[in-house]
Amino acid sequence: NAGVTQTPKFRILKIGQSMTLQCTQDMNHNYMYWYRQDPGMGLKLIYYSVGAGITDKGEVPNGYNVSRSTTEDFPLRLELAAPSQTSVYFCASSLKWGVVAGGYTFGSGTRLTVV
Amino acid sequence: GQQLNQSPQSMFIQEGEDVSMNCTSSSIFNTWLWYKQDPGEGPVLLIALYKAGELTSNGRLTAQFGITRKDSFLNISASIPSDVGIYFCAGQREGAQKLVFGQGTRLTINP
Repeated sequence: NAGVTQTPKFRILKIGQSMTLQCTQDMNHNYMYWYRQDPGMGLKLIYYSVGAGITDKGEVPNGYNVSRSTTEDFPLRLELAAPSQTSVYFCASSLKWGVVAGGYTFGSGTRLTVV
Repeated sequence: GQQLNQSPQSMFIQEGEDVSMNCTSSSIFNTWLWYKQDPGEGPVLLIALYKAGELTSNGRLTAQFGITRKDSFLNISASIPSDVGIYFCAGQREGAQKLVFGQGTRLTINP
């Protein structure tokens, strides 16, 4: 199984540009999440989804959008990139709310730099 | 959102030394998880704890769910170079659903 796959691994954006970070999982997990990781700050939840067609805001949703048209895919959209969005982005999925079956499965991350 | 208080933030040790780190919260937790993140990769689950007082091992790693349900501890014995990385605690608060994460402990090992 591939698990959680994120693309691209690296990206440099200019201020004001837009892009979509792709995330797909093949474990038939209903729950999917987007986190950003800033140095020394741990993981902050951006958006999450409990199933196809359902999304909700996390701690730091401003500047981002998501959609969940299928169980497998959960893309994250940046509409107007800003330097404050320079970070490493992780997608994760889980069978339930992260307790059963040992928590979340993470992708390998997308390192985004906005200049 | 609340994050867990994880300490220390970083550790610099010699190969072969034992390592201890902990995670604390002002809230009661039902579940504690410990993850490791290798450089350039996403976090990978090491140990999951589901009951107060529980002590669980995974090779040289041992984690404990604190009796007060407000803390958890991770110990690594006889460290080796591949232990280098960032260790995250995560937990599910009582009455909540989503996991909350600690800030991470960055472990560096001098050979």
